[in-house]
Amino acid sequence: EVQLVESGGGLVQPGGSLRLSCAASGFTFSSYWMNWVRQAPGKGLEWVAIINLDGSEKYYGDSVKGRFTISRDNAKNSLDLQMNSLRAEDTAVYYCARGSGFIIDIWGQGTEVTVSS
Amino acid sequence: DIVMTQSPDSLAVSLGERATLNCKSSQSVLSSSDNKNYLAWHQQKPGQPPKLLIYWASTRESGVPDRFSGSGSGTDFTLTISSLQAEDAAVYYCQQYYGAPLTFGGGTKVEIK
Repeated sequence: EVQLVESGGGLVQPGGSLRLSCAASGFTFSSYWMNWVRQAPGKGLEWVAIINLDGSEKYYGDSVKGRFTISRDNAKNSLDLQMNSLRAEDTAVYYCARGSGFIIDIWGQGTEVTVSS
Repeated sequence: DIVMTQSPDSLAVSLGERATLNCKSSQSVLSSSDNKNYLAWHQQKPGQPPKLLIYWASTRESGVPDRFSGSGSGTDFTLTISSLQAEDAAVYYCQQYYGAPLTFGGGTKVEIK
């Protein structure tokens, strides 16, 4: 069974940092692009970042560029999102999502991040 | 960036009736190199993560009931639910993957009348 399990969410103060992780199973992780997508409380979906098969290409949404870093470890079937200089508006559920190229075809259950003092 | 605009924001449809959801992109997502529309539809039920329904504007993902269909090209797209079932109550998002940044529409909430 294809599965994506996020972890690392929690409460963090404005200006702080947090690292999210996503454990992938049930498919050949190294054969897929991977994404992070977020959803603020009661709001729609916002794409955050994408990384290619070997980690050599990364793209970011404008709202997180320069603050967030996406990375992957194909040996461990894992995807990470390092989030720095966090703001209240970064409060959201963060989803790990598999990409067939740029087509998002599998979503994780999400991990909740709250930025508040 | 490509802006995706969905309409209506919400609609209430009776069981067994047709639901029509619209999505418009600020620039064409039709590729001249492969003649494909880089447009997907995702369904999100309350308390659940989204689920891919349709990609390439009209290709149903495996396991998606055939009452769901996608159409359109260029900048204007439609998701049609031919005969609404109770389990179809959800928010539906269109998303372009023509290029980064990937962008989603604001969503259309479908309710049962």
